This record gives sequence, C-alpha cells and structure tokens, in this order.
Amino acid sequence: KAGVTQTPRYLIKTRGQQVTLSCSPISGHRSVSWYQQTPGQGLQFLFEYFSETQRNKGNFPGRFSGRQFSNSRSEMNVSTLELGDSALYLCASSWGQTNTGELFFGEGSRLTVL
Amino acid sequence: GESVGLHLPTLSVQEGDNSIINCAYSNSASDYFIWYKQESGKGPQFIIDIRSNMDKRQGQRVTVLLNKTVKHLSLQIAATQPGDSAVYFCAERGPPYGGATNKLIFGTGTLLAVQP
Repeated sequence: KAGVTQTPRYLIKTRGQQVTLSCSPISGHRSVSWYQQTPGQGLQFLFEYFSETQRNKGNFPGRFSGRQFSNSRSEMNVSTLELGDSALYLCASSWGQTNTGELFFGEGSRLTVL
Repeated sequence: GESVGLHLPTLSVQEGDNSIINCAYSNSASDYFIWYKQESGKGPQFIIDIRSNMDKRQGQRVTVLLNKTVKHLSLQIAATQPGDSAVYFCAERGPPYGGATNKLIFGTGTLLAVQP
C-alpha cells in the first residue's frame, strides 16, 4: 500500500512569490492535515480537511490556504512568501471519520525562501 | 501559542539499556495523547497512543505512562537499539475537545541517541 506522497520534495522560491504543495493521501483515507516544521517553532498545525471541507484551522495568516479534492488529494498554497516561511511542510492522512491520532505522514516538502 | 512543552533535549543511552523520554502538556482538557518518532529526512511515524481514561499502555518494546495530576507523559523504550535513534515527539489532540479533529499539538521533541 503506497504511503502519503508529497510533491515537490524540495523547492526554492524568492520573497513575494507564491507556492503550491501537493499531497496524495493513502488510498481510502479521507482526512488530510498539514503541518509546518521549523527548528524554532517545531511542528505546528496548519489546517485539516475531511471530505473536501476544512474541519479545523491553525493560527497561521491568511496567506496560507488549502483545499481538498473529491479524490481526497490536497493542496496547500502560500502566497506572498516571506523568509520565515522556509520550513518543512508535512502532510498527514488518516481515515478521518473519528480521530485516533494515528496520522500517516509523508516525507514533506522542504521550502526555502530566499 | 498552544504548545505541548519541552525544549529539545538529547538523551544518550547505551544499546540495550532502557530509555525514558518525558513530556509535559499544558491543557487539562486534553483527552488523547500520542508519541511519534521522526528519523532524519522522514516524516513523523506513529509509535503509541493513550486516552485520558488510561494511565498506562504497552506496545512492542514501548510503554506510555500518563499522569493527569501533574500533566505528564512518558515514553519508555525497552532494550534500546541503534535503530531507535531519532527525535521523539509527544503530541496531544487539539481543540475542539470531543469533536472530530485530527489536529495535534506537538512538543518540541527529544533527540534519542543510542550508542552501540
């Protein structure tokens, strides 16, 4: 069974640009969550989608947005990039109907903002 | 912001010894706790979980203890192996409590270094 797939794995952008990251969950999983990981702030929850609806949202500015498609694949977008957005962005999937906490994480997309 | 807290310490143990990783959480309303392991270059991997109506849960070579009185979690790894070297995170389910969410609030992690 394929795991959570995130693309691209690495990318470099400049300040002011925007970026879109993609996540394909494990087959059958309907919930996708996104986390930002930095050395300073650790792992921080961005948002969570279930059946194409945002179910929960973290404390990030509106520049961070996401969506989920009918096939459960998800994308997140960061607009007007800032240096502080440099991070590893992790996607996690689960069955989603009830929370067990057993999220299956991808290997992440490492974003560098110059 | 919200946090499950510990600064990133390093725990160095000898192969074959038992390891104990500690974690303090801040929200007494939290009802569900999880430990994750993250190896270099990989995403976090689920190890074990525990609900707030339990104080101990065992898995294969791992045990999680929950002390709600002092809001403390610990992860015990028996017979630590070199392959256990990784960063370990505790996490608690975030609000809305009792609602359907996969939001997790992670601690800052502990680096476990296993010496052969």
